[in-house]
Amino acid sequence: AQKITQTQPGMFVQEKEAVTLDCTYDTSDPSYGLFWYKQPSSGEMIFLIYQGSYDQQNATEGRYSLNFQKARKSANLVISASQLGDSAMYFCAMRDVNYGGSQGNLIFGKGTKLSVKP
Amino acid sequence: NAGVMQNPRHLVRRRGQEARLRCSPMKGHSHVYWYRQLPEEGLKFMVYLQKENIIDESGMPKERFSAEFPKEGPSILRIQQVVRGDSAAYFCASSPPFGETQYFGPGTRLLVL
Repeated sequence: AQKITQTQPGMFVQEKEAVTLDCTYDTSDPSYGLFWYKQPSSGEMIFLIYQGSYDQQNATEGRYSLNFQKARKSANLVISASQLGDSAMYFCAMRDVNYGGSQGNLIFGKGTKLSVKP
Repeated sequence: NAGVMQNPRHLVRRRGQEARLRCSPMKGHSHVYWYRQLPEEGLKFMVYLQKENIIDESGMPKERFSAEFPKEGPSILRIQQVVRGDSAAYFCASSPPFGETQYFGPGTRLLVL
């Protein structure tokens, strides 16, 4: 069965520094998609970044980058130059492969609470 | 392009009442997913729908819960005879026909008294 593991319940980072949030996954399917979402205290779920299993390069979106290590089955999120507004819960997710193609429900990790210190 | 809309944002119900949660997907999106988030936990999949079809309801409790996505109008998640354990945040997400990324609505916080 597919599984997402986030081993860091909470992380602290100094403002303007970089931080890495860990995510490992387990799947036997060769085709999968990995996602990171941010959930601030207001509660909404904000899409940050996506990595496909066949993508040759690590995904980047502004200050967010995904350190994708396929052999180790890890998809860590790197946030550069942290800002106070980055304080939030961060969830790693994987698309379920039940349906084939690009559709399917997401399987979420338990999340990491990031606190940015001024 | 408006994002995924959910209403109400907050819903309070007494035990035994019905709760109806609505979700309007982003324009052009034909796939809708419902997730539930209990306090201090990640999101758990409930049901996946396309217009007029339930594709996968493997995450839905067998009783009291139902979902629909009619040809016209929003997707509805219906919880009958609510119990305190139904208190949670319910999120709807949508994705385009051939796209992978799911975009979430702001969620509905259900509180059962």
